[in-house]
Amino acid sequence: AQSVTQLDSHVSVSEGTPVLLRCNYSSSYSPSLFWYVQHPNKGLQLLLKYTSAATLVKGINGFEAEFKKSETSFHLTKPSAHMSDAAEYFCVVSEDNYGQNFVFGPGTRLSVLP
Amino acid sequence: GAGVSQSPRYKVAKRGQDVALRCDPISGHVSLFWYQQALGQGPEFLTYFQNEAQLDKSGLPSDRFFAERPEGSVSTLKIQRTQQEDSAVYLCASSLARGPNEQFFGPGTRLTVL
Repeated sequence: AQSVTQLDSHVSVSEGTPVLLRCNYSSSYSPSLFWYVQHPNKGLQLLLKYTSAATLVKGINGFEAEFKKSETSFHLTKPSAHMSDAAEYFCVVSEDNYGQNFVFGPGTRLSVLP
Repeated sequence: GAGVSQSPRYKVAKRGQDVALRCDPISGHVSLFWYQQALGQGPEFLTYFQNEAQLDKSGLPSDRFFAERPEGSVSTLKIQRTQQEDSAVYLCASSLARGPNEQFFGPGTRLTVL
């Protein structure tokens, strides 16, 4: 069965400093992996996705993530945080062999300090 | 404005009442998903439709939960005899086709059961 672990429930960074949000997954098959962002009172928005192409994936708003099969990780990074990045971030795994439903991690709340 | 829409956005029900939540997916999207998001947690899968066929309902928590998509577009999630533990945000998502595709999420319906 699929599962996702997001090691940090809350990450706080200063504006202009790097962001690292950690995600580890468990999957029996070759997974597809996604990062979604959820701003308060707004819907979930896709940041980026990995679907067995390049292991370094670039997304919107300067975010990127690297798929590391040996470490079963898919950490999200950004070189320089902006105030508007403050939100909840969800790592998601999907196994096509199990159908199409997404399995979400518990989320990491990112705070950006001025 | 062709995003996923959900109605109502907010619903307050007394314990024991029946509720119906509506989802309008993006036109032409074959796949439709329902998720439940409890406060402070990641969304959890409830059920999945491909066109009008409900292919997976393994996430529905009890037989009080029922979903339908009779014409392969609009979907309704019905909860009978609501309980306090049903209080959550119910998210609907749609995607274009089979496979590990991006899911587009609606804003959700926040259900509060008193």
